[in-house]
Amino acid sequence: RKEVEQDPGPFNVPEGATVAFNCTYSNSASQSFFWYRQDCRKEPKLLMSVYSSGNEDGRFTAQLNRASQYISLLIRDSKLSDSATYLCVVIVYGQNFVFGPGTRLSVLP
Amino acid sequence: NAGVTQTPKFQVLKTGQSMTLQCAQDMNHEYMSWYRQDPGMGLRLIHYSVGAGITDQGEVPNGYNVSRSTTEDFPLRLLSAAPSQTSVYFCASSPWTGSGNTIYFGEGSWLTVV
Repeated sequence: RKEVEQDPGPFNVPEGATVAFNCTYSNSASQSFFWYRQDCRKEPKLLMSVYSSGNEDGRFTAQLNRASQYISLLIRDSKLSDSATYLCVVIVYGQNFVFGPGTRLSVLP
Repeated sequence: NAGVTQTPKFQVLKTGQSMTLQCAQDMNHEYMSWYRQDPGMGLRLIHYSVGAGITDQGEVPNGYNVSRSTTEDFPLRLLSAAPSQTSVYFCASSPWTGSGNTIYFGEGSWLTVV
């Protein structure tokens, strides 16, 4: 089983739709969690950290469920510019960053 | 605003040639790493370093060498290029893999081995 798993998609949604991605991790000692965004032929960039209590940044909401070992990302009112691959990242303290394979989102006009 | 700088951005090599991908960061980060990204495979860790003079292997180290003589620089050497090493390579750095610390990437190096 891979350490971090994501639904690869692609998710094709119309503008204005709400879309949610899940990410599961296998190491229960994982301590830090992030969502990164990667545009085509570009480097991954931090979208948001994921906190235990859940957190929101504009149209983006991240949730963490430690008991079930998954994190989620909700995007409301999708824009064309949200089209990208979304990477889930997990860290066990003192170890390496572990990246999920990414979920591709296409927002259609 | 340099952050993580990688060179070259594009390179074509012949099988058997060697080359070095350069990576430098100006954020005084202790942790640096190299990833390769292939279609459908996600980011795979090649080598990493937790400080000057310290390096270790990641998930796919074969065919690559690294060194960390300074905090700023972390070059990746391809010893004898093979077509299987055709990929996009990303260098990254972080203050440390501690709680809350994030990782920053260079813009990537596109390598083709023919």
